[in-house]
Amino acid sequence: DQQVKQNSPSLSVQEGRISILNCDYTNSMFDYFLWYKKYPAEGPTFLISISSIKDKNEDGRFTVFLNKSAKHLSLHIVPSQPGDSAVYFCAAAESQGNLIFGKGTKLSVKP
Amino acid sequence: DTEVTQTPKHLVMGMTNKKSLKCEQHMGHRAMYWYKQKAKKPPELMFVYSYEKLSINESVPSRFSPECPNSSLLNLHLHALQPEDSALYLCASSQPTGIGYTFGSGTRLTVV
Repeated sequence: DQQVKQNSPSLSVQEGRISILNCDYTNSMFDYFLWYKKYPAEGPTFLISISSIKDKNEDGRFTVFLNKSAKHLSLHIVPSQPGDSAVYFCAAAESQGNLIFGKGTKLSVKP
Repeated sequence: DTEVTQTPKHLVMGMTNKKSLKCEQHMGHRAMYWYKQKAKKPPELMFVYSYEKLSINESVPSRFSPECPNSSLLNLHLHALQPEDSALYLCASSQPTGIGYTFGSGTRLTVV
């Protein structure tokens, strides 16, 4: 059973608009959540993270929101740019530091 | 230095060859990881080293043999691989709690 779920395999957004990528998890023991961005033929690149004691973390155009009661987090990118087109992985960290990844969402930002 | 460095970037090997993948970090991280990633799939955890000791082996076949010679280095020794083992192999490091998780850029392995 998947502990980290990204239910949208793909998302298409117009340049300049907001991109919202969603992630749900089932394990209430996760204490750290991360978003990774991956271009084809490259390893994942860390984007932004959030601790379970917070509900929001912002870094430039990227904001991650955490709703612990709903076991849901989301990544907002605003404004979206064509260079943001990539696969975005949500991941959750267990206490030993192992990461559990979602299956990814492919974001396409159209000019 | 905030990077995880993996070498080589690309590797082609025959099924009877023995090769090694290398990973290095100088961030003082005491947890290091090997992941395998197939195209269009998320990374799959293979091994976890914590304080230079193997703490997790996710039922990986014995043709993959990890080694952690010191706190900065992680190797993955490969022997008698199969074509289906072709994938992107990613190394990562972090604090043992998961803070500061950083991936290397990976080794693209092709088994022929």
